[in-house]
Amino acid sequence: AQSVTQLDSHVSVSEGTPVLLRCNYSSSYSPSLFWYVQHPNKGLQLLLKYTSAATLVKGINGFEAEFKKSETSFHLTKPSAHMSDAAEYFCVVSERNKLIFGAGTRLAVHP
Amino acid sequence: SQTIHQWPATLVQPVGSPLSLECTVEGTSNPNLYWYRQAAGRGLQLLFYSVGIGQISSEVPQNLSASRPQDRQFILSSKKLLLSDSGFYLCAWSVGRATNSNQPQHFGDGTRLSIL
Repeated sequence: AQSVTQLDSHVSVSEGTPVLLRCNYSSSYSPSLFWYVQHPNKGLQLLLKYTSAATLVKGINGFEAEFKKSETSFHLTKPSAHMSDAAEYFCVVSERNKLIFGAGTRLAVHP
Repeated sequence: SQTIHQWPATLVQPVGSPLSLECTVEGTSNPNLYWYRQAAGRGLQLLFYSVGIGQISSEVPQNLSASRPQDRQFILSSKKLLLSDSGFYLCAWSVGRATNSNQPQHFGDGTRLSIL
């Protein structure tokens, strides 16, 4: 069975500094991986997806993620944090049309 | 473009009362549909999914049920709510075909359910 581990439950950065949200997965075959963002009392919005094409995936709002098979990682990055990036982020792996969610990382952005 | 609607946005219900949450999708046909629950400070738990009208798969035993009376309508119900049913309920859809695991899911804005 596939699983996802988000290594940090909380990350705090200053506005304008880089963001790194870490995710490791376990999968017995080539996975489909996603990052979602959730703002308070809202649904989840898809940031980006990896489906065995390019290993560096660009998403919305300046986010990108790199698939590293040797490290079984799919970390999310952004060069410069904005106040509006404060939210909860979920790393997700797809298995037979079902999504397996990580526990989430809450990103705080300080002025 | 495709859109997904959930209602109500918030709901406060007494213990033992019935529940009906509705979700509809527009702009696509034969979607896969999903109900999730998100407890406070926790990740998402898949409750039900459906690959077609009248086809419901349950992921966890509970006092909730789901129905899909029309292609783009998904309903979450309960005959008697428990305190433990409180949470944030999210509906989602993805492109149909049960074997296609590469498609992302698209979520509604959720229903905040509080049981008193």
